[in-house]
Amino acid sequence: NAGVTQTPKFRILKIGQSMTLQCTQDMNHNYMYWYRQDPGMGLKLIYYSVGAGITDKGEVPNGYNVSRSTTEDFPLRLELAAPSQTSVYFCASSYSTLAGNRYNEQFFGPGTRLTVL
Amino acid sequence: AQTVTQSQPEMSVQEAETVTLSCTYDTSESDYYLFWYKQPPSRQMILVIRQEAYKQQNATENRFSVNFQKAAKSFSLKISDSQLGDAAMYFCAYIRRGGADGLTFGKGTHLIIQP
Repeated sequence: NAGVTQTPKFRILKIGQSMTLQCTQDMNHNYMYWYRQDPGMGLKLIYYSVGAGITDKGEVPNGYNVSRSTTEDFPLRLELAAPSQTSVYFCASSYSTLAGNRYNEQFFGPGTRLTVL
Repeated sequence: AQTVTQSQPEMSVQEAETVTLSCTYDTSESDYYLFWYKQPPSRQMILVIRQEAYKQQNATENRFSVNFQKAAKSFSLKISDSQLGDAAMYFCAYIRRGGADGLTFGKGTHLIIQP
């Protein structure tokens, strides 16, 4: 198992450009997440998905979009990149039941370092 | 909304000594989970230990243990016999039971191990 994979590892964007951060997991997890980590801070939730076709906003969704057409993939789209989006982006996944009777560990990808100049 | 606070931006400990990292949280929920994650310079997020709020017994994982005080909303991490490989950022995190809306993280504590 590769776990959670993210591409690219690094990227530099110019202001106003767009890009998609890719995230794939091969653990058949139903829940997937996108977080961002600004320097000296903890991770903040951007978007999350509880299954294919279902997505919802987290704490900091502005400037981003997501889709979840398959269980495995959860891409994050940045439209009109701004310097405030300079950050490290983490994708994560977990398996959980609707009853939430057992919380399973969130597995994190290696992160994408994005710089917007 | 829930919040997680780590009041120690940086801690330093001698190799083989014991260190305790502090975390407090605020929530109106009664059933939730708390975590400590380790982030080495590689950036990878590694789960260190997990505590379920309904369990009174403190979780332990080898050299890592927690002191969970539910009434005080406190969740500290104790690292015994500190090793050079323990040097990293440590994040405290929270999620309510059944919560699909992701983890809430503190700002982190940078742990330095002095040889």
